[in-house]
Amino acid sequence: SQQGEEDPQALSIQEGENATMNCSYKTSINNLQWYRQNSGRGLVHLILIRSNEREKHSGRLRVTLDTSKKSSSLLITASRAADTASYFCAISSGSARQLTFGSGTQLTVLP
Amino acid sequence: GAGVSQSPSNKVTEKGKDVELRCDPISGHTALYWYRQSLGQGLEFLIYFQGNSAPDKSGLPSDRFSAERTGGSVSTLTIQRTQQEDSAVYLCASSLTIEQYFGPGTRLTVT
Repeated sequence: SQQGEEDPQALSIQEGENATMNCSYKTSINNLQWYRQNSGRGLVHLILIRSNEREKHSGRLRVTLDTSKKSSSLLITASRAADTASYFCAISSGSARQLTFGSGTQLTVLP
Repeated sequence: GAGVSQSPSNKVTEKGKDVELRCDPISGHTALYWYRQSLGQGLEFLIYFQGNSAPDKSGLPSDRFSAERTGGSVSTLTIQRTQQEDSAVYLCASSLTIEQYFGPGTRLTVT
């Protein structure tokens, strides 16, 4: 299966702390994307990292990619209660345009 | 501008009935995707439309599922003879390049 596996499945932290989520996958990829989902409905695209990139930043988000280990991590710095959501990694591989999603990490940021 | 819209937002149907779910993509987006998300799970790819090309139906779980995209815009996902295991949130996404923009989803409950 190409599905990304995320860990931890759930993460609870205090406001102001950093949150780190990890994603592992099984095949070669074109790019890896991270999405956020609030309340089990629509997803919001956060950041994309291409297979030839090792690190990307966007605001309080930092994504790393290690293609040799087939893994990626998403770091949210100085977390806020509004960051509470489910976070998914999604993989694009081969000629397919559709994404293969991981099972997600449920992040809870306590005020 | 307007994002991806989906209707209805919620649908409750009896086992054995047919349902139609609608997706209005972002204007000008050439690609349209349908995904399904069961409770607490990641997204499962169903079908992908790109321009006037034949759709990629490789993710449809059975022949009870079908979809069409009229005029390269609006798409309808049809599930015939619904089963309880069809209960899920059905998400539509559209894209112009790599990043996918998701609608709020339709929560389908089969009783």
